[in-house]
Amino acid sequence: SAVISQKPSRDICQRGTSLTIQCQVDSQVTMMFWYRQQPGQSLTLIATANQGSEATYESGFVIDKFPISRPNLTFSTLTVSNMSPEDSSIYLCSVEVPEQFFGPGTRLTVL
Amino acid sequence: GENVEQHPSTLSVQEGDSAVIKCTYSDSASNYFPWYKQELGKRPQLIIDIRSNVGEKKDQRIAVTLNKTAKHFSLHITETQPEDSAVYFCAARGGFKTIFGAGTRLFVKA
Repeated sequence: SAVISQKPSRDICQRGTSLTIQCQVDSQVTMMFWYRQQPGQSLTLIATANQGSEATYESGFVIDKFPISRPNLTFSTLTVSNMSPEDSSIYLCSVEVPEQFFGPGTRLTVL
Repeated sequence: GENVEQHPSTLSVQEGDSAVIKCTYSDSASNYFPWYKQELGKRPQLIIDIRSNVGEKKDQRIAVTLNKTAKHFSLHITETQPEDSAVYFCAARGGFKTIFGAGTRLFVKA
């Protein structure tokens, strides 16, 4: 298993601003995954982050809107840029060790 | 593209009855099928999983079956309890990507 922490746990932001979400894992992992879960919906993969290379984005998600950093094997950040109310969601990071575990999530509200 | 369909979207059962949730997947390369339980306001938690070389797996009151030919898999919960009430997600993974079903909201009535 893995212990995953995220910061912040929640935030309320103004339209047009950006928020950076941090994800910390208690062990070294090759890949970290970022998901979005809109209210009452399923989990949608935003991107896969590998250490030392650019993140791989899924269809419908772009680097300019969701830049990701992966400076080492235990940490990653996801930035939600130029936010709009449609970005209000829960953002979760995840690792596979080898089963997939999720962080506690960041609940983002954009006004 | 890859797709996982999950049914039903909502399921209400009486305490003590069984609950069955069904999923189908499209990617024949999928070889790992986890199930997650998500309680309100909490993260998804892995409850059981099955790999493509196994047809059935059981863990106490929970069991999962897999039919690779038909590309479908199911979650069975027996002797349901109120604390089983939650949203359940199936998922399918082939390679490094996991695709999730839309979720089933299970209500267990006491």
